[in-house]
Amino acid sequence: QSALTQPPSASGSPGQSVTISCTGTSSDVGAYNYVSWYQHHPGKVPKLMLYEVTKRPSGVPDRFSGSKSGTTASLTVSGLQADDEADYYCSSYAGNIVVFGGGTKVTVL
Amino acid sequence: QVQLVESGGGVVQPGTSLTLSCAASGFAFSSFGIHWVRQAPGKGLEWVAVIWYGGNNKHFAESVKGRFTISGDNSKNTLYLQMNSLRAEDTAVYYCGRELGAGTYEIGYWGQGTLVTVSS
Repeated sequence: QSALTQPPSASGSPGQSVTISCTGTSSDVGAYNYVSWYQHHPGKVPKLMLYEVTKRPSGVPDRFSGSKSGTTASLTVSGLQADDEADYYCSSYAGNIVVFGGGTKVTVL
Repeated sequence: QVQLVESGGGVVQPGTSLTLSCAASGFAFSSFGIHWVRQAPGKGLEWVAVIWYGGNNKHFAESVKGRFTISGDNSKNTLYLQMNSLRAEDTAVYYCGRELGAGTYEIGYWGQGTLVTVSS
């Protein structure tokens, strides 16, 4: 049950795009199309931003998009806004269990 | 309206036990996978456990396996996380969460969290 690997930080200026990677193994990210991404503002409840790699829950803007290739999934935030500054976590189904990434702090410069 | 409310957190000594509750409303917990996720101070999110569809299909992270158990009370639509042999490293905010749709594995709905502090 190793955590998925994410870069600790990422940044971009308002209006730019930022992409966060999430690397797993053939037992989790590589095995299932059940990768999710969560946005977490400190002190608040985590919010689901993407699920099943590319799907957006109701209310999540299309500036948030996802992809997957092999054992690496990615989240792209386009048109960065100040409110996008938060911690982002990926997670993957891994056969009856779930594993999270270590989190990426996104800073809007 | 889906709602999850955790309770039962507090300050406990190492080696002791504590039970957290997750009261569900707006849906029957026996119809969905319900997860527990925690966040230690200054750390990231860590998946702890899941109970699938309120039954006997329960799974735990290696870090808590053998110490934590999950049970449910259908009549109260409430889940419980029984935490035994608590350690300092179990100190965290504990969230319960429900998958967005049955069998989809993400956590679409989250409770507000309850803080557990393990300290002597």
